[in-house]
Amino acid sequence: GAVVSQHPSWVICKSGTSVKIECRSLDFQATTMFWYRQFPKQSLMLMATSNEGSKATYEQGVEKDKFLINHASLTLSTLTVTSAHPEDSSFYICSARISGRSSTDTQYFGPGTRLTVL
Amino acid sequence: GENVEQHPSTLSVQEGDSAVIKCTYSDSASNYFPWYKQELGKRPQLIIDIRSNVGEKKDQRIAVTLNKTAKHFSLHITETQPEDSAVYFCAASPLTGTASKLTFGTGTRLQVTL
Repeated sequence: GAVVSQHPSWVICKSGTSVKIECRSLDFQATTMFWYRQFPKQSLMLMATSNEGSKATYEQGVEKDKFLINHASLTLSTLTVTSAHPEDSSFYICSARISGRSSTDTQYFGPGTRLTVL
Repeated sequence: GENVEQHPSTLSVQEGDSAVIKCTYSDSASNYFPWYKQELGKRPQLIIDIRSNVGEKKDQRIAVTLNKTAKHFSLHITETQPEDSAVYFCAASPLTGTASKLTFGTGTRLQVTL
């Protein structure tokens, strides 16, 4: 149980284009999902917290107009990198918490999406 | 906000030896401390976690200790095996509110040599 999927697993795009990444909780509902970015040999940096039915909460320094997050259902959150540039190339990972278990904060991670911007 | 420091950044041990990774945190409100193992290019996998109402938790070869007074917690792996080689991340989070978020340490690259 508690499986999180991401699509695509990798994507290569040209500079200036937009890329959408999907994060799905397959066997549970997730009121809250999190989006992280991980550069090579570095830690996971939280970009934003995605809340179903409301606006995402972005971390300091993350441009909300560049990284658009939509959490339209309890099983799907999407991250769109708009006007991508080479410096946006990174490993993007989502995670999800099981809804209704406020006393359990376990986050289940997706397999990640490797974005390369040429 | 929360700040989590992790040491060492790299650790090499011989198979069968023990490995210890240490983390400190800054926010006294944090009360949930998970440890994740990440293999190259893959997702972080939760290996063990501890909450502030306990001081130690063990799961087979893996154990975690927590000292809330000193604001530090440690991961102990005994009888290490080559498949334990990976990057390990500690994290801290307050268990309050639906948007409680994890702050990760910088990671420890563990290499278990034969």
